[in-house]
Amino acid sequence: AQRVTQPEKLLSVFKGAPVELKCNYSYSGSPELFWYVQYSRQRLQLLLRHISRESIKGFTADLNKGETSFHLKKPFAQEEDSAMYYCALVDNYGQNFVFGPGTRLSVLP
Amino acid sequence: GAGVSQSPRYKVAKRGQDVALRCDPISGHVSLFWYQQALGQGPEFLTYFQNEAQLDKSGLPSDRFFAERPEGSVSTLKIQRTQQEDSAVYLCASSLERGQLAFFGQGTRLTVV
Repeated sequence: AQRVTQPEKLLSVFKGAPVELKCNYSYSGSPELFWYVQYSRQRLQLLLRHISRESIKGFTADLNKGETSFHLKKPFAQEEDSAMYYCALVDNYGQNFVFGPGTRLSVLP
Repeated sequence: GAGVSQSPRYKVAKRGQDVALRCDPISGHVSLFWYQQALGQGPEFLTYFQNEAQLDKSGLPSDRFFAERPEGSVSTLKIQRTQQEDSAVYLCASSLERGQLAFFGQGTRLTVV
């Protein structure tokens, strides 16, 4: 069965510190992985997807098929990064997106 | 429109009442998804449309839930005989292509009392 886990419900870091939001998945095929972000009072929006291999707002994520992980990283956290972050995968058919439970990132001044 | 629009933003229903939630996707978007997000949890897949065809409804929790997209644009999620456990935020998302989930609506927060 497809499943996405995010072990941390809440992660607090100080401004300027590195941050890593963990995501692990279980899927028998070759899924496509995404990170979504929801800032306070805003809608859920796409942050990045693994196939594009891009850096958005300083965040990067590398797909590690051996560890079935897709951790989100940023070397220097900013206060405006405070938000809910959701890891998600889509199956081979591109129809069923599965989300993790989310991690709330709080960047302290 | 500029983005995915959902209405109403908030709905309070008495237990047993029927409700209808509307989603206006971005014009031209082929794929449309409905998700249910309970408090403190991630979005849970309900159903998927490609144009007017409902290709996957495996996530609908019971036969009280029904979704349609008759003309391949606007979609309606209907919940019959609402129960307290139906209280959640219902999210709609659309994308131009299959395999993408790029744009979400603001959601409809349903509270069943």
